[in-house]
Amino acid sequence: AQTVTQSQPEMSVQEAETVTLSCTYDTSESDYYLFWYKQPPSRQMILVIRQEAYKQQNATENRFSVNFQKAAKSFSLKISDSQLGDAAMYFCAFTKTSYDKVIFGPGTSLSVIP
Amino acid sequence: EAGVTQFPSHSVIEKGQTVTLRCDPISGHDNLYWYRRVMGKEIKFLLHFVKESKQDESGMPNNRFLAERTGGTYSTLKVQPAELEDSGVYFCASRRGGIYNEQFFGPGTRLTVL
Repeated sequence: AQTVTQSQPEMSVQEAETVTLSCTYDTSESDYYLFWYKQPPSRQMILVIRQEAYKQQNATENRFSVNFQKAAKSFSLKISDSQLGDAAMYFCAFTKTSYDKVIFGPGTSLSVIP
Repeated sequence: EAGVTQFPSHSVIEKGQTVTLRCDPISGHDNLYWYRRVMGKEIKFLLHFVKESKQDESGMPNNRFLAERTGGTYSTLKVQPAELEDSGVYFCASRRGGIYNEQFFGPGTRLTVL
């Protein structure tokens, strides 16, 4: 069975600084998808970034980038130039295939300090 | 385009009562998923519809939970009778068919069973 672990229940970052959220996962699959979802307080969960396991290049979306280490089964999220609007719960997630259910980690609550 | 909507946003019921949650997916999305997060734990998959058919219901906790998706549009999740441990946030997500893998999540329904 696949599992996703986020070892940091809470993190904080100073506005304009950089923060890295950690995620590890366990799977025996060779092809799969990894995601970071963001859920602001009382708002919908949205996809921040995704990574296909077969791609060696790390995904980037503006200020968000990942460090995907397939052999180590690690998938960290780096947020650069942190903004107040980045404050949210961040979930690392995994799916085996495009049709499969999403398996979530427990989440990391990120606070941004002005 | 309108996002995934869920109704109600919050429901408070007493143990033993029945509650029905509703999810309206994004128009044209054949795939609909239900998840829940209980007691601050991980978000867990409940089931997956493809149009009106149940593709995967491996996450349904017991037979007190009944999900339907008549006509392949909106879906309902009924809990009957509700127990204390059913309290949590129930999320719905929808996804377009094909290889594009993003699931779009609704805001969730917070269920409190007293």
